[in-house]
Amino acid sequence: AQRVTQPEKLLSVFKGAPVELKCNYSYSGSPELFWYVQYSRQRLQLLLRHISRESIKGFTADLNKGETSFHLKKPFAQEEDSAMYYCALRPFSGGYNKLIFGAGTRLAVHP
Amino acid sequence: EPEVTQTPSHQVTQMGQEVILRCVPISNHLYFYWYRQILGQKVEFLVSFYNNEISEKSEIFDDQFSVERPDGSNFTLKIRSTKLEDSAMYFCASSEGAAGALDTQYFGPGTRLTVL
Repeated sequence: AQRVTQPEKLLSVFKGAPVELKCNYSYSGSPELFWYVQYSRQRLQLLLRHISRESIKGFTADLNKGETSFHLKKPFAQEEDSAMYYCALRPFSGGYNKLIFGAGTRLAVHP
Repeated sequence: EPEVTQTPSHQVTQMGQEVILRCVPISNHLYFYWYRQILGQKVEFLVSFYNNEISEKSEIFDDQFSVERPDGSNFTLKIRSTKLEDSAMYFCASSEGAAGALDTQYFGPGTRLTVL
């Protein structure tokens, strides 16, 4: 079965603290994995994808095929990072293929 | 920067009525999608559309649902006879079809459908 699990509904941290948003997936092939973010009253937008191995807004995520995980990390959280974060899996490469989303984790960064 | 737009932002309808949700994808994109999110639940894939036909649909996308690209810009989702359980936020997305994992789906702001 193709599944994405985000075990935490809410993660609450103080500004400057490290953040790790967990994502585990279930998929038998080679997955494409993404993190999407939704700030308050805004649309879902792509934060980063595993293939790019980039750092966006200080966030990074490493695909660990052994642990089937794609955790999102940031060393020092900022208040503007407060948002809903969704991990997503695309089972097949390229256009017209669906994204399978996790349930999302709400990150709340307190001053 | 171009964005996916959706209208209306909120639609209230009576059970059994037909609704049409409208989306304008980004102009050079070739692939179109509908997702929905019932309150408190995951974002779920409904359907993908390419070259004027459905590419894939989920088990949610039954005979009550249909999609259409009536002109060069709009992409619509029709629910023929709404049920209470169709109440959800409906997201449209589009992508240009870049090679492999570089293809990015861009989402609209959503239409909240409330069925009474």
